[in-house]
Amino acid sequence: DAGITQSPRHKVTETGTPVTLRCHQTENHRYMYWYRQDPGHGLRLIHYSYGVKDTDKGEVSDGYSVSRSKTEDFLLTLESATSSQTSVYFCAISESAEGSDTQYFGPGTRLTVL
Amino acid sequence: GEDVEQSLFLSVREGDSSVINCTYTDSSSTYLYWYKQEPGAGLQLLTYIFSNMDMKQDQRLTVLLNKKDKHLSLRIADTQTGDSAIYFCAEKDRRAGGSYIPTFGRGTSLIVHP
Repeated sequence: DAGITQSPRHKVTETGTPVTLRCHQTENHRYMYWYRQDPGHGLRLIHYSYGVKDTDKGEVSDGYSVSRSKTEDFLLTLESATSSQTSVYFCAISESAEGSDTQYFGPGTRLTVL
Repeated sequence: GEDVEQSLFLSVREGDSSVINCTYTDSSSTYLYWYKQEPGAGLQLLTYIFSNMDMKQDQRLTVLLNKKDKHLSLRIADTQTGDSAIYFCAEKDRRAGGSYIPTFGRGTSLIVHP
């Protein structure tokens, strides 16, 4: 299995509080991604990074920010959590973004916003 | 924008074949993927097919691609209870900036009963 960890694995928080999720990889892959998974919606891309300090938005980026100060870490921040951000969040990595390249997924973080 | 559609549920008996279907709208898709997600886990790549291929076989898995109809299917022969999972179809096309970022379907829950 690709070396990807996510922390925390579970979090319960209250509306309006800031939350930061961490994705850590040991594969030295250039690309990292944050997805959210919701029933009936599958996986939707929030943000992705193509290098240190290089990030871009996905299809559901509103309310989220990301940072990548080191190759191995990609942080997802909810500045002020809302109940609509209750979801399971997956981090993924890939060596490049070429068509044939595979994405490897972390185990997920279950976030509940009360 | 890109759209990937799958049926939500499939129920089969152990030992039968399972066929999971997927349609996509982006004719420029170059790679199409099947991922498997077991309960409480992240996604794992099962197989992928390049758009110039019609079929790809890998042990019990057969992928069929009908590019004209933009239809992709995954056949699992001799389905076992361990195959019970959610199966995601995904497609990649090149985005602005040259990166291939996948778009995922909503996932098909495969239930295998004895």
